[in-house]
Amino acid sequence: QQPVQSPQAVILREGEDAVINCSSSKALYSVHWYRQKHGEAPVFLMILLKGGEQKGHEKISASFNEKKQQSSLYLTASQLSYSGTYFCGAADHTGGFKTIFGAGTRLFVKA
Amino acid sequence: DAGVTQSPTHLIKTRGQQVTLRCSPKSGHDTVSWYQQALGQGPQFIFQYYEEEERQRGNFPDRFSGHQFPNYSSELNVNALLLGDSALYLCASSSLGTSGGSGEQFFGPGTRLTVL
Repeated sequence: QQPVQSPQAVILREGEDAVINCSSSKALYSVHWYRQKHGEAPVFLMILLKGGEQKGHEKISASFNEKKQQSSLYLTASQLSYSGTYFCGAADHTGGFKTIFGAGTRLFVKA
Repeated sequence: DAGVTQSPTHLIKTRGQQVTLRCSPKSGHDTVSWYQQALGQGPQFIFQYYEEEERQRGNFPDRFSGHQFPNYSSELNVNALLLGDSALYLCASSSLGTSGGSGEQFFGPGTRLTVL
């Protein structure tokens, strides 16, 4: 099953914060986050392997609650360059190497 | 480092035809995954190749087949094309050997396939 992302879309002003959520009905082995700009390939942001572990990438961080099978991506002090579609990718325990992506969250940051 | 490369960038075919898409992984990567991305949707997993074998497969019909060569490059073949096969086909490479299969994937720019 495809992980569910929320919200589907969000509009921010530069400097505002946002949270994107990703939940799965299946037990997760890892969660990946990617950003895709229009007409470009998805770009890797980060991967989370352990429950409750947070990782950061500049002003973007994420958490992974293995028990709840949920992950959240935190964007702080958003910049215009953060605009794009954010996808979470979930890999479960069965085989472990198949990444299933959510439908995406469209983020638009305006000046 | 050239990163992941795909060819061709665009392709137009008619229903019933067959198509072959090609992918060269990032240097040092041994695993190639193929995804289909329809407009406005997330990438849908087609299959993954490692050591020239198909390791995992998504919910795609047998019309979709692939191959991995000894140099780790890969091909995606689609037979009997349908209108619904029109999409962006993405190839992603990763290193199974060092990440255990859970590592980051590097995506290529994709091949835009249009079926008329």
